[in-house]
Amino acid sequence: DAGVIQSPRHEVTEMGQEVTLRCKPISGHDYLFWYRQTMMRGLELLIYFNNNVPIDDSGMPEDRFSAKMPNASFSTLKIQPSEPRDSAVYFCASSFSTGVIQYFGAGTRLSVL
Amino acid sequence: DQQVKQNSPSLSVQEGRISILNCDYTNSMFDYFLWYKKYPAEGPTFLISISSIKDKNEDGRFTVFLNKSAKHLSLHIVPSQPGDSAVYFCAASALGTYKYIFGTGTRLKVLA
Repeated sequence: DAGVIQSPRHEVTEMGQEVTLRCKPISGHDYLFWYRQTMMRGLELLIYFNNNVPIDDSGMPEDRFSAKMPNASFSTLKIQPSEPRDSAVYFCASSFSTGVIQYFGAGTRLSVL
Repeated sequence: DQQVKQNSPSLSVQEGRISILNCDYTNSMFDYFLWYKKYPAEGPTFLISISSIKDKNEDGRFTVFLNKSAKHLSLHIVPSQPGDSAVYFCAASALGTYKYIFGTGTRLKVLA
């Protein structure tokens, strides 16, 4: 299996622009997680889905952030409008409901200028 | 408020010696703990875990210790190798949830 695939790997954008990050989970996994990594706060859970349904979005920082999972093999995290403080590495992870291990993608490094 | 804390941002250890990485938590509902390792430009990868019903779990050179009364866990790496140089995250979850709370990470450097 190719693992969790995220795209793009790097994104540079200007403040105010819309940013869309993409994730393909491991086939058969029914949980999908979006995290943000910063130096100050480490890895923060933003939102997670079970069987494509959002379960907990309490970590989404504000209304500028939204996430969707239209099917079992694809999810997006959108930031609109983006701000410099959104600059971070964003990770997607997936897991089986019967397991506790989450498998992470390589991340998207976002820079908002 | 950080429910999972890794108070040492970095640690340097000589090759062959023991590396000890520490993690503290505040939520008594946490009952499952994991350590992840992260290399630059890669995602975190699972290393070892421990349930609250145990106080120790070993996997090769890696051992995790859990002290529930102190709300403290530690990861021991013996012997340390240069390839162990990475950022280590501890994470905690509560029974019945699939939600991890991660610490801020400790950067381990093993010197050859």
